[in-house]
Amino acid sequence: GAVVSQHPSRVICKSGTSVKIECRSLDFQATTMFWYRQFPKQSLMLMATSNEGSKATYEQGVEKDKFLINHASLTLSTLTVTSAHPEDSSFYICSARDGSKLFFGSGTQLSVL
Amino acid sequence: RKEVEQDPGPFNVPEGATVAFNCTYSNSASQSFFWYRQDCRKEPKLLMSVYSSGNEDGRFTAQLNRASQYISLLIRDSKLSDSATYLCVVNGEDGTLTFGKGTMLLVSP
Repeated sequence: GAVVSQHPSRVICKSGTSVKIECRSLDFQATTMFWYRQFPKQSLMLMATSNEGSKATYEQGVEKDKFLINHASLTLSTLTVTSAHPEDSSFYICSARDGSKLFFGSGTQLSVL
Repeated sequence: RKEVEQDPGPFNVPEGATVAFNCTYSNSASQSFFWYRQDCRKEPKLLMSVYSSGNEDGRFTAQLNRASQYISLLIRDSKLSDSATYLCVVNGEDGTLTFGKGTMLLVSP
């Protein structure tokens, strides 16, 4: 079945640094990928939709200058959390559609000190 | 009204019990429905799609009630390994997926 690979699985960083998270579709091409954030005991919240070759579409309340998304190829989307602060600490998950099915990356636990 | 609502639980049940979760959705134009399972700090994994006629996969049965705008998941003969959070996911007419907050299930020996 389709696989979505997400790296890194865990990041601990100092406040003010930038963190890049990669999401790859391993055996299918994904023109669209999705980035979610999940706080403890909360639901997955869609942050943005990443479109290959064009600008990402951000959900209301998500700062596009803080959460930079690049989808340069059909198999890779990256999310960069710029100047991360403790309130950005969360579980970030990407997903991609293969046909009608949605597959998720394994998630990245970001902890900002 | 929230778009997708679930009882957060936790539902504490003994092994072998039958347990059911409901999920309500607000958008009557929603197209498709899913149940995902999520273990702590892991990615959600598709458990099963929910079809209008209802569908069964082993110990799991999913049903959809469009008139009342809810879907349900029934788990029979609960196993310890069923302990997880079960997410209700609704696919809108625009293709947007909306997740419920999930229902936590704890199966004890």
